[in-house]
Amino acid sequence: EDKVVQSPLSLVVHEGDTVTLNCSYEVTNFRSLLWYKQEKKAPTFLFMLTSSGIEKKSGRLSSILDKKELFSILNITATQTGDSAVYLCAAPQTGANNLFFGTGTRLTVIP
Amino acid sequence: NAGVMQNPRHLVRRRGQEARLRCSPMKGHSHVYWYRQLPEEGLKFMVYLQKENIIDESGMPKERFSAEFPKEGPSILRIQQVVRGDSAAYFCASSANLGQETQYFGPGTRLLVL
Repeated sequence: EDKVVQSPLSLVVHEGDTVTLNCSYEVTNFRSLLWYKQEKKAPTFLFMLTSSGIEKKSGRLSSILDKKELFSILNITATQTGDSAVYLCAAPQTGANNLFFGTGTRLTVIP
Repeated sequence: NAGVMQNPRHLVRRRGQEARLRCSPMKGHSHVYWYRQLPEEGLKFMVYLQKENIIDESGMPKERFSAEFPKEGPSILRIQQVVRGDSAAYFCASSANLGQETQYFGPGTRLLVL
């Protein structure tokens, strides 16, 4: 059975801190891993990772995949209060096209 | 370029009534997915549709729930005889092609059953 596990479940940091969010997975036929940011509404797409060791960057956010150790990390540098959200990690389910989600990491950035 | 649209954004129903949730995918997208998010839980897959076809409904309860994606018009998720446990956020996502794994989500419909 496919699994996506995120840690920590929640995190509180001060503005300006750097955070690392973790996602480990067990997917029989791995194809990709996706990160989303969910505030009070729609999950918004951040990154899709398919290859090991290649960092993807978007502003202060970056992510990398390790296919040998079966995990991914999402880094946010110089955090701002607007980064407060639930960060979701997902992978396409084996033999299907739907995404299998972790329970998310709730990040709170305090001024 | 409009994103995924869902309506209504909020829906209140009494036990036993029907709920109809609508989803219009992004322009050019023909694959629609419905997910449910219970309070304090992750997103759980319900059903995957293409135009006029249900491709995978393995995540959808067998009774009271149905989904369609007609040739014209939005995809509809229908819940008959709603119960309190159906209260959740229902999200729709769309993708462009088979094998296109990036799914883009709509704002969700928050269903509250009284």
